[in-house]
Amino acid sequence: DQQVKQNSPSLSVQEGRISILNCDYTNSMFDYFLWYKKYPAEGPTFLISISSIKDKNEDGRFTVFLNKSAKHLSLHIVPSQPGDSAVYFCAASVRADGLTFGKGTHLIIQP
Amino acid sequence: DAGVIQSPRHEVTEMGQEVTLRCKPISGHNSLFWYRQTMMRGLELLIYFNNNVPIDDSGMPEDRFSAKMPNASFSTLKIQPSEPRDSAVYFCASSYTGFTEAFFGQGTRLTVV
Repeated sequence: DQQVKQNSPSLSVQEGRISILNCDYTNSMFDYFLWYKKYPAEGPTFLISISSIKDKNEDGRFTVFLNKSAKHLSLHIVPSQPGDSAVYFCAASVRADGLTFGKGTHLIIQP
Repeated sequence: DAGVIQSPRHEVTEMGQEVTLRCKPISGHNSLFWYRQTMMRGLELLIYFNNNVPIDDSGMPEDRFSAKMPNASFSTLKIQPSEPRDSAVYFCASSYTGFTEAFFGQGTRLTVV
């Protein structure tokens, strides 16, 4: 049973527009959520995180929203840039005891 | 800092052979994680260490898999004997204890033929 789900395998967005990547989870014990970005032939790179006691965290063009009642989080990228084209993984953790990942969403930024 | 260093980057081996993957975590980090990425299952946590001690190995798929961390700057993941279904990309990651943000190495792509 997958505890972290990313239901969109891919997403295409025009450069300059907003990219919204979604993630759902089932384990109510998760207390920390993260987004990682991955380019081909490289390891995942940490992007942004949010604690379960917050509902929003912002870092430059990246904002993560957490809706605990819906067990849903999203990553907003605005404006989207060509370098944002990558696979984005949603991840969650209980007490920093390792990460449970979703299967990823391939974001493609169209010029 | 050079980041998490994994070796080799690529490994091709025959079924039945022993395979050893290596990882050097970021200096000062005291938590180390091994993950495996496959098309079917995505990124899965295999095992993690805290202060060189294995804390949770429930993700290790079979007894053919073993991991060690003899000191704070080195860890190995061994598969003996290897099978074609072990083909995947294996990632090592490290972090400070209690900090969820882990830093990943570039991975080892293992192909078992």
